[in-house]
Amino acid sequence: DTGVSQDPRHKITKRGQNVTFRCDPISEHNRLYWYRQTLGQGPEFLTYFQNEAQLEKSRLLSDRFSAERPKGSFSTLEIQRTEQGDSAMYLCASSSTGATNEKLFFGSGTQLSVL
Amino acid sequence: QQQVKQSPQSLIVQKGGISIINCAYENTAFDYFPWYQQFPGKGPALLIAIRPDVSEKKEGRFTISFNKSAKQFSLHIMDSQPGDSATYFCAARNSGGSNYKLTFGKGTLLTVNP
Repeated sequence: DTGVSQDPRHKITKRGQNVTFRCDPISEHNRLYWYRQTLGQGPEFLTYFQNEAQLEKSRLLSDRFSAERPKGSFSTLEIQRTEQGDSAMYLCASSSTGATNEKLFFGSGTQLSVL
Repeated sequence: QQQVKQSPQSLIVQKGGISIINCAYENTAFDYFPWYQQFPGKGPALLIAIRPDVSEKKEGRFTISFNKSAKQFSLHIMDSQPGDSATYFCAARNSGGSNYKLTFGKGTLLTVNP
């Protein structure tokens, strides 16, 4: 499989619980992004990694959110003390530097429902 | 502040017709304008993209028209097919920025009737 892989595809949790999502980018891609998409909206940028370094975080990313990319490979996004407003599709995307570095490849996302 | 405005919100077209989706942007630093196609339960997939040094780009049935002075760009789908039924997002990026992040419009739900 050469695409961006996200796990789980769906997550239902109760308010106040912690959740963690995983993203496996395309293997040679050094850039990794997390986006959030709510119903009827376009994806909104959350954070960006180049290799293992987290280089930018959106103001949308409250202190309850944390993302890591150890060793510059897969990435995890953790949400602590989930709130109903966190319900959304969380999308991961990756790209590589070079001539085709503009093209972002998205995974199928993790749909989070906070009850 | 919505930096990329997309219209219409939804569009119904008959098979064989032309689908037209419009976007307008505010940030003159944007210099890369892709269109993404998203099917239910899937992530967005790049369809076609343009840079502002050209006014039009065509790939198969898909064409982007770009008007730099008006800060507008549009997607035209010729000979629309039921399989084109999906949500389409325009996006924009400032390639001079440090992270290549995309700013997306709110999307257009296209339905192509057989």
